[in-house]
Amino acid sequence: EAGVAQSPRYKIIEKRQSVAFWCNPISGHATLYWYQQILGQGPKLLIQFQNNGVVDDSQLPKDRFSAERLKGVDSTLKIQPAKLEDSAVYLCASSRVGQGAPLGNIQYFGAGTRLSVL
Amino acid sequence: SQQGEEDPQALSIQEGENATMNCSYKTSINNLQWYRQNSGRGLVHLILIRSNEREKHSGRLRVTLDTSKKSSSLLITASRAADTASYFCATARAGGTSYGKLTFGQGTILTVHP
Repeated sequence: EAGVAQSPRYKIIEKRQSVAFWCNPISGHATLYWYQQILGQGPKLLIQFQNNGVVDDSQLPKDRFSAERLKGVDSTLKIQPAKLEDSAVYLCASSRVGQGAPLGNIQYFGAGTRLSVL
Repeated sequence: SQQGEEDPQALSIQEGENATMNCSYKTSINNLQWYRQNSGRGLVHLILIRSNEREKHSGRLRVTLDTSKKSSSLLITASRAADTASYFCATARAGGTSYGKLTFGQGTILTVHP
């Protein structure tokens, strides 16, 4: 089966500019996650969708970050305006329906988008 | 916030040796998972151990879980240069409303020298 697709792979912007990332999850996966991974750290969950509804966005900086998942498939994550501290890798992951699914909540990750804010 | 704390932060070994990484966590869990991340790539799931399990094997991987100590360890036997990567533990919290949410540790950087 095809994996999680993300684009672009790399993005360089200046502070105060806006940027958008795109994710296409594995076909049939109802749950989609966006993570921020700062160099040398583990991934931090920004937002979790179950189909096209938000399950958890408690760590999403809502004054500048937004995300949507139209039709419960593809998703976009936007930052507007970007700050220097937003430099990180943004990872998208997907999984089958959470607890109770045969494989539990194993997550499948895309390759990520590396964002540099100058 | 990071739930898991891993040690060591970095581990350097020779090919053929065993590598052991440890993870500690704070809250009750449903399951604990280990992921590998090669440089510049996404994370890849390695193994999942449920809270009612104590040990699990998959190929050269052995995972143990001690829920009384809130800790887990990942053992990679007969390591290879291709095992060079960052390894993360991730916990799925018991109960709660964040259905399927995982909280990742800071990771252990493993370097295997040929």
